[in-house]
Amino acid sequence: SQTIHQWPATLVQPVGSPLSLECTVEGTSNPNLYWYRQAAGRGLQLLFYSVGIGQISSEVPQNLSASRPQDRQFILSSKKLLLSDSGFYLCAWSVGELYEQYFGPGTRLTVT
Amino acid sequence: GIQVEQSPPDLILQEGANSTLRCNFSDSVNNLQWFHQNPWGQLINLFYIPSGTKQNGRLSATTVATERYSLLYISSSQTTDSGVYFCAKLGGGKLIFGQGTELSVKP
Repeated sequence: SQTIHQWPATLVQPVGSPLSLECTVEGTSNPNLYWYRQAAGRGLQLLFYSVGIGQISSEVPQNLSASRPQDRQFILSSKKLLLSDSGFYLCAWSVGELYEQYFGPGTRLTVT
Repeated sequence: GIQVEQSPPDLILQEGANSTLRCNFSDSVNNLQWFHQNPWGQLINLFYIPSGTKQNGRLSATTVATERYSLLYISSSQTTDSGVYFCAKLGGGKLIFGQGTELSVKP
């Protein structure tokens, strides 16, 4: 069966520091991978998605970037965090664009 | 743009009661999902239901694509049903989420 992992689970970082969040998927090949952010309140917003190694699409211009160095690994990064980057970051995968998406446990980021 | 609206925004129930959550969307649907976000933030997949009706235990969902809405039914609610329920529709290659319904089930 497929499993999705995210780490770290929680993170407190000062403004201006770098960020690296990692997501890995097990049990499937060539998944579509997604990064979402849930800010205070409830709404979830897609940040990036990837249909293959090195292929990244950005949905929202911002202080973040994403990379996919391996088939089942998706990384969210920032060179300098802003207060507004605080939130709950969720990674998701699907077998294809039109198919059901499954979410990881999330990383709760607080920028101080 | 594609809109997804959920109602009610908040719901308080006594344990054992039934409830219906609604999701309206502004465009045609080829992928609609219902999720439950537990207190730890994990999004649990409930249903993948672009059309028709599905049931899983005390939960069932119906999507009427021609009328652009989906309903999630919770019967005999339990305290563990508490949390936020989201519907999400696929549009432009991404899931577009509603703002959620926060359900609180009291013992």
